[in-house]
Amino acid sequence: GEDVEQSLFLSVREGDSSVINCTYTDSSSTYLYWYKQEPGAGLQLLTYIFSNMDMKQDQRLTVLLNKKDKHLSLRIADTQTGDSAIYFCAEGGDMRFGAGTRLTVKP
Amino acid sequence: DTGVSQNPRHKITKRGQNVTFRCDPISEHNRLYWYRQTLGQGPEFLTYFQNEAQLEKSRLLSDRFSAERPKGSFSTLEIQRTEQGDSAMYLCASSSEGRYTFGSGTRLTVV
Repeated sequence: GEDVEQSLFLSVREGDSSVINCTYTDSSSTYLYWYKQEPGAGLQLLTYIFSNMDMKQDQRLTVLLNKKDKHLSLRIADTQTGDSAIYFCAEGGDMRFGAGTRLTVKP
Repeated sequence: DTGVSQNPRHKITKRGQNVTFRCDPISEHNRLYWYRQTLGQGPEFLTYFQNEAQLEKSRLLSDRFSAERPKGSFSTLEIQRTEQGDSAMYLCASSSEGRYTFGSGTRLTVV
């Protein structure tokens, strides 16, 4: 089974907020990560959160961590068409990835 | 520093041939990882090194796969007797203190 689970698709309108959710299993993870991958491109680290934090904000990105429920979310404010990509949640010292959430932003 | 470098970018090989990929990590990173990514999937962990020691191997890594990091710097991933199911993007990453940097990957196509 998957160690990290994400919903596969999300579609939003330009200017709206996007929320991408992730559940994980390894409670010993020190860091949890969000990566972005555009078509034909490599993995781009968007942000990460240390496991003793509940929230981290970085410009349009807000990461929320619920350790009790092992739930991680990424909120993108004012979503733009350039945000269309696949977003991966990853956890653990050896970086287990979810299958990715494909975000489509409609103009 | 130019980040994590992987070579070649693309490799097309005939089934049954051996292939070798190279990864040059960020120089001060002591950990190096190999992942495989197929279309529509997230990267799958294959193996990782701390310095020259290979500390973990995924059960996905069959005995046709071998990885080395002889001097704790660059690493090679060899696939022997390639099969069509080996076609994927092979990603390398290096890390220090929890910060990971990925290379652009080597895309392998087995025909």
